[in-house]
Order: sequence, then structure tokens, then C-alpha cells
Amino acid sequence: GDSVIQMQGQVTLSENDFLFINCTYSTTGYPTLFWYVQYSGEGPQLLLQVTTANNKGSSRGFEATYDKGTTSFHLQKTSVQEIDSAVYYCAPTNKVVFGTGTRLQVLP
Amino acid sequence: GPKVLQIPSHQIIDMGQMVTLNCDPVSNHLYFYWYKQILGQQMEFLVNFYNGKVMEKSKLFKDQFSVERPDGSYFTLKIQPTALEDSAVYFCASSVDITEVFFGKGTRLTVV
Repeated sequence: GDSVIQMQGQVTLSENDFLFINCTYSTTGYPTLFWYVQYSGEGPQLLLQVTTANNKGSSRGFEATYDKGTTSFHLQKTSVQEIDSAVYYCAPTNKVVFGTGTRLQVLP
Repeated sequence: GPKVLQIPSHQIIDMGQMVTLNCDPVSNHLYFYWYKQILGQQMEFLVNFYNGKVMEKSKLFKDQFSVERPDGSYFTLKIQPTALEDSAVYFCASSVDITEVFFGKGTRLTVV
């Protein structure tokens, strides 16, 4: 079945640091890839999605590239802010099979 | 943007009793989902529902669980009987198709 691996359970950064959260996936076919973000006390919400291999998605300064060769969909942001503190989930299908998520804490 | 509503935000129930969690999905959506999140842990898929039927369910979707959406109204998750390990936040979600899934804010279920 579909699966996703996010190796980093927790990432702690300071404001304006560079963010990199890795995600590798295993699916059949050519899925749409999603990043969801869950702020404290809320349900997850879509951050960005990419439908086509080798394309990049971006939103609110976050970017992720659908790399079919390495089956990766890493999330990056050049300069994080305290308001970006949340849990980030990579999901490879519309069934939204979540990985364990990466909890990002940005210190002021 | 479109909103999925879950009311109430918190329910407390005695172990062994029945509970129904209600979800008001986005009006034109066709696919419906329930997820379970134990405090501090990852979100886990329970079930998805389309055209009046369960399409897929995980091993967490025990025999005590059932879902329905009678007459296009609320999409419900019923647990009968409840167990202590059912305590969690349950998120409802809906989508039009295979693109963006919209989540509610969750109902925290406490089984005592």
C-alpha cells in the first residue's frame, strides 16, 4: 500500500533560519503529492500540492519539488517565522495517508 | 474558504456507551473521511466514504465503528460500545474529488 516516511519528528529553528523537512514516499502509479500543515488546536489544512512529476509547488514561501526519480517531496522555506510553528505532514495520495509528521518549532 | 463543521468540539462519554460524532461537510463535496489522532501522535486514517458506501477502511476502524450519511445530511461516526482507547480527537474531512481535502477542527472524545 501507499506509505510515506518523514524521518524528522521534531525540528527546532530560530526565526529567519532555513527549513528543510524531508519526505520520501512509496506508492503505485503517479500520485498527486501533498503537504498539509496542522496548527495547534486545528485540523490539517492544505499547504501545497503537486500533480505532475518534476514540478514544484509553492505557497506562503514554502516550496516542494515532486522528484519521481528519488521518490521524494521535501519541503523547504528560506526564512521561517514563529507563526510557521506547526506539524507538517507529507501525504502521497488523496486518501491522505499521513506520515508521522514533523513538528516544527520556531523560536523568536 | 470552504468549511467542515464538527459539533461539539468535546464529548465526554462513559465507557461502554454509544457515541455519535457529527460532521457537516462542505456542501458540494462527494468524498468523506474520518481520522483519529491520539494526543501528541500522528493523524491516522480510519475510513473514507463515497456514494453511500465505505470505500476503504484501516485496521483502526474496528467492528464497533460505523459511518453513514443519511439523506445527504451529517456524516456521522458511531462508536458502539466505546472503550477507553477510543479517547482521541476525531477529524472529519471532505473533498470534491482527488484534489484538496478539507478538514474540520476535530471533536475531542474522552471516554471515562
